[in-house]
Amino acid sequence: DGGITQSPKYLFRKEGQNVTLSCEQNLNHDAMYWYRQDPGQGLRLIYYSQIVNDFQKGDIAEGYSVSREKKESFPLTVTSAQKNPTAFYLCASRDRGHLSYNSPLHFGNGTRLTVT
Amino acid sequence: QKEVEQNSGPLSVPEGAIASLNCTYSDRGSQSFFWYRQYSGKSPELIMSIYSNGDKEDGRFTAQLNKASQYVSLLIRDSQPSDSATYLCAVIRANSKLTFGKGITLSVRP
Repeated sequence: DGGITQSPKYLFRKEGQNVTLSCEQNLNHDAMYWYRQDPGQGLRLIYYSQIVNDFQKGDIAEGYSVSREKKESFPLTVTSAQKNPTAFYLCASRDRGHLSYNSPLHFGNGTRLTVT
Repeated sequence: QKEVEQNSGPLSVPEGAIASLNCTYSDRGSQSFFWYRQYSGKSPELIMSIYSNGDKEDGRFTAQLNKASQYVSLLIRDSQPSDSATYLCAVIRANSKLTFGKGITLSVRP
């Protein structure tokens, strides 16, 4: 079955440590996205990538970094510079083929990160 | 002005009623519009997408788009308790940036 896999589902870290969240997709989608969701809030865009080896900052990129070395993978690193890293992180992908503006996001199941 | 704004909630309707959810956006270059439903602790799931002005119906759901006024809405007819969730409006721009509103929580009372 095609889909997006985020791992782990729950992640606990001590303050001051960097942590990397995994996101893998087998949908053959070109574009991938990382969002953060805080309780009672909508999704805020962290980074997105339209093709391999290219990515753009979203609205809240500070304290985060990404890489896109393979089409299938878009890992997100939460660095110690991120002041409030505890949140629900969602990875998503979408097709960028013909009429790509019609293509919706497909989401993974999310990773809930807790930093203490 | 925020890129995507949703009317403040929460919204409570009785079972069988019509729920009306609204969303406005700031970028006139926005191309496509999506409504997602999110249950607590879960990831969002696509309900409707709309690209052209007018109405688009799918079962009990109707999406309405008015690009001149820069708003998109979602109507849920014959609301069911299982429709109780948070509804997120999303807008995609020409650069593939996809932005969400804060969402509105809908509660359908039995």
